[in-house]
Amino acid sequence: GQNIDQPTEMTATEGAIVQINCTYQTSGFNGLFWYQQHAGEAPTFLSYNVLDGLEEKGRFSSFLSRSKGYSYLLLKELQMKDSASYLCAVRARFSSGSARQLTFGSGTQLTVLP
Amino acid sequence: DGGITQSPKYLFRKEGQNVTLSCEQNLNHDAMYWYRQDPGQGLRLIYYSQIVNDFQKGDIAEGYSVSREKKESFPLTVTSAQKNPTAFYLCASSILTSDIQYFGAGTRLSVL
Repeated sequence: GQNIDQPTEMTATEGAIVQINCTYQTSGFNGLFWYQQHAGEAPTFLSYNVLDGLEEKGRFSSFLSRSKGYSYLLLKELQMKDSASYLCAVRARFSSGSARQLTFGSGTQLTVLP
Repeated sequence: DGGITQSPKYLFRKEGQNVTLSCEQNLNHDAMYWYRQDPGQGLRLIYYSQIVNDFQKGDIAEGYSVSREKKESFPLTVTSAQKNPTAFYLCASSILTSDIQYFGAGTRLSVL
């Protein structure tokens, strides 16, 4: 089976930096995704890591350590519109090896305060 | 504009009734997925399809059925066997060789 853990809630101030952590346990690991989801809306893709290291994309960066089963999403220069749920999702092969699926964490609800 | 369209946005089901949620995509993606999201929880996979006329059960398929007669369409039927259908249902699609999934706006299903 797979297990993905994220903090349930985080609060930060506008203009600050926040780091959202995600730890996972899985076999057949094949990549980690971060999605942003505003309340009542569809998740939107933010980043993807399959190799160790940092991927930077504007104000958002994502880091992966496969040996530690650990990733984080770093948000810089926080804006009010960044208030949303951030979902960590792990891609892994089925035990049969026939296909891959994403397993989502429960999400971290980030509140940005003025 | 390319994208994924889900309809309706809100749906109400009477007890014992089957209801069908629509999902259409014009992204030319081979793979399509249905997820269920309950409050404060992550997305759970109901069914997925990698190619026309083929689909596979996900983690919580009981009480649901799907079809994939066209590449663009992947409707989900919530049957009367699903005893707790109230949830937010999300459809997604991806290019088969790349699993970045793109989501529709969702359908919120409630029971009358």
